[in-house]
Amino acid sequence: EPEVTQTPSHQVTQMGQEVILRCVPISNHLYFYWYRQILGQKVEFLVSFYNNEISEKSEIFDDQFSVERPDGSNFTLKIRSTKLEDSAMYFCASSLDTLRDEKLFFGSGTQLSVL
Amino acid sequence: AQSVTQPDIHITVSEGASLELRCNYSYGATPYLFWYVQSPGQGLQLLLKYFSGDTLVQGIKGFEAEFKRSQSSFNLRKPSVHWSDAAEYFCAVDGGSTLGRLYFGRGTQLTVWP
Repeated sequence: EPEVTQTPSHQVTQMGQEVILRCVPISNHLYFYWYRQILGQKVEFLVSFYNNEISEKSEIFDDQFSVERPDGSNFTLKIRSTKLEDSAMYFCASSLDTLRDEKLFFGSGTQLSVL
Repeated sequence: AQSVTQPDIHITVSEGASLELRCNYSYGATPYLFWYVQSPGQGLQLLLKYFSGDTLVQGIKGFEAEFKRSQSSFNLRKPSVHWSDAAEYFCAVDGGSTLGRLYFGRGTQLTVWP
């Protein structure tokens, strides 16, 4: 089965630093997403992205966050100035379409630790 | 607003025993419901999904789930658990008319004793 690839698997950063989490979605997919899971809490939707623009974002996705598809294969999530509460597992996902019977493919996640 | 509750944070079963993981949802219309599994170091993998029709849904790896509208539940079951089923299981409901925004439960960690 095709895979969504995320790098790195674990990233440690200092509070206030910028981080970029990287994802390679499945090659023919058109819709891209970021989710996160803070330890002990639910997996939460952050943002969806299509045609080089944000389709939908949650209230979590404030001005500190941005997404980009810089080169047609990577999909990145940038956190401009990390806070302690940004520590979480971040999941990238992609899908071919957004029809309700389509399938979301998730990556294995990047564990972000903010110190 | 949509939400999902998985009341069991951690479940332990013996290999060969039956399994039921509970999921309750809150959604105003007909929900699209999902179960995902995450094994260590792996991504979230779709086990099964319910959109409409038969309320008993078959998935991969021998799992099934039953949609009960009257109880707002979508419990996951397996008749005989294997050690390789040890993982974290997530129930999710979709956010509306398009795929992509899913509302997840907190997950249930399954431990399987040999």
